[in-house]
Amino acid sequence: SQTIHQWPATLVQPVGSPLSLECTVEGTSNPNLYWYRQAAGRGLQLLFYSVGIGQISSEVPQNLSASRPQDRQFILSSKKLLLSDSGFYLCAWSLQDNSPLHFGNGTRLTVT
Amino acid sequence: RKEVEQDPGPFNVPEGATVAFNCTYSNSASQSFFWYRQDCRKEPKLLMSVYSSGNEDGRFTAQLNRASQYISLLIRDSKLSDSATYLCVVNIGEGNKLVFGAGTILRVKS
Repeated sequence: SQTIHQWPATLVQPVGSPLSLECTVEGTSNPNLYWYRQAAGRGLQLLFYSVGIGQISSEVPQNLSASRPQDRQFILSSKKLLLSDSGFYLCAWSLQDNSPLHFGNGTRLTVT
Repeated sequence: RKEVEQDPGPFNVPEGATVAFNCTYSNSASQSFFWYRQDCRKEPKLLMSVYSSGNEDGRFTAQLNRASQYISLLIRDSKLSDSATYLCVVNIGEGNKLVFGAGTILRVKS
């Protein structure tokens, strides 16, 4: 069966520091991969979407970037965090078109 | 107009009640639709997919109205454990790019 791993679970970082969140999927090949962010009390916002290695769609202008160095690895990064980057970051995968999302446990990021 | 819209609620209902949520979407080319459930401070979990003919899973019924561009979720015989935020998810016509509504809060009380 397929599993998704996302780490760390919680993170507290100072403003201006770098960020790297990693997500890996097991048990499937060539999944679609996603990064979402949920600010406190808000809905999920799609940040990045990838259909294959090196193929990343950025959905909103922001301080973050994503990379997919391997088929089942998706990395969210920032060179310098802002206070507004605080939130609940969720990685997800799906099979190809018309398939539901399956989420990792999420990373709760607090930028201080 | 937002791509996916939901009534935020909260819906406060007694145990045993029937409650219905609607969700509207703006892209007429959307092909896939889902309902997710999210508990406080947890990741969303798939509740059910929504099929064109409507579908049922126990106490939960989902329907799709393509003409009016909305989907619905009906929960019968509400349980305390149904208390959560219910999220509507729609693909917006570009592959499997999936967009969430802001969610509807349900509180079931004894």
